Amino acid sequence: SYELTQPSSVSVSPGQTARITCSGDVLAKKYARWFQQKPGQAPVLVIYKDSERPSGIPERFSGSSSGTTVTLTISGAQVEDEADYYCYSAEVFGGGTKLTVL
Amino acid sequence: EVQLVESGGGLVQPGGSLRLSCAASGFTFSSYWMHWVRQAPGKGLVWVSRINSDGSSTSYADSVKGRFTISRDNAKNTLYLQMNSLRAEDTAVYYCATVTFDYWGQGTLVTVSS
Repeated sequence: SYELTQPSSVSVSPGQTARITCSGDVLAKKYARWFQQKPGQAPVLVIYKDSERPSGIPERFSGSSSGTTVTLTISGAQVEDEADYYCYSAEVFGGGTKLTVL
Repeated sequence: EVQLVESGGGLVQPGGSLRLSCAASGFTFSSYWMHWVRQAPGKGLVWVSRINSDGSSTSYADSVKGRFTISRDNAKNTLYLQMNSLRAEDTAVYYCATVTFDYWGQGTLVTVSS
């Protein structure tokens, strides 16, 4: 089976750009999705097909892909973006990244 | 409005069985592939299983293969996860989700403990 690797934590100040990476061989062949999960809540899809944003997701969320790495970028991160973020592809989730905004 | 409502969780002894249900509404359930995803307390998301729209094709994570069975009843708009030979490491919140993960249920907690 495949593995997707994410940093365990990322920290930024409000208004800065946060970048979360996800690496894995499968990403060269399959699209990735990104999810945001806040404590006690179900995950929310924020990016699909590497870079597409579902309706209702703020424009500051964007995604990109290069080879075996995909990146979630939050431009001008806000306090309410503080959450766990997970990448997903081919029936595998990454280990998750805790984003701290303070 | 799309709704997914899981039920059937609870406390079960190691080696025991449990069947989870996911009641779907607000969309044409019979047209959608579906997933089960779980999350152990304080841990990350783990994909568990997937089923196609008519139930003829399924897929499982290695950790549950041979012990868990995913199924569906399109007439009842309900997805199931039959869990047998449960282990302590199966303790988690179990979520159902649509195939594109646009919609998730609120989750149901399964605790495997003696």
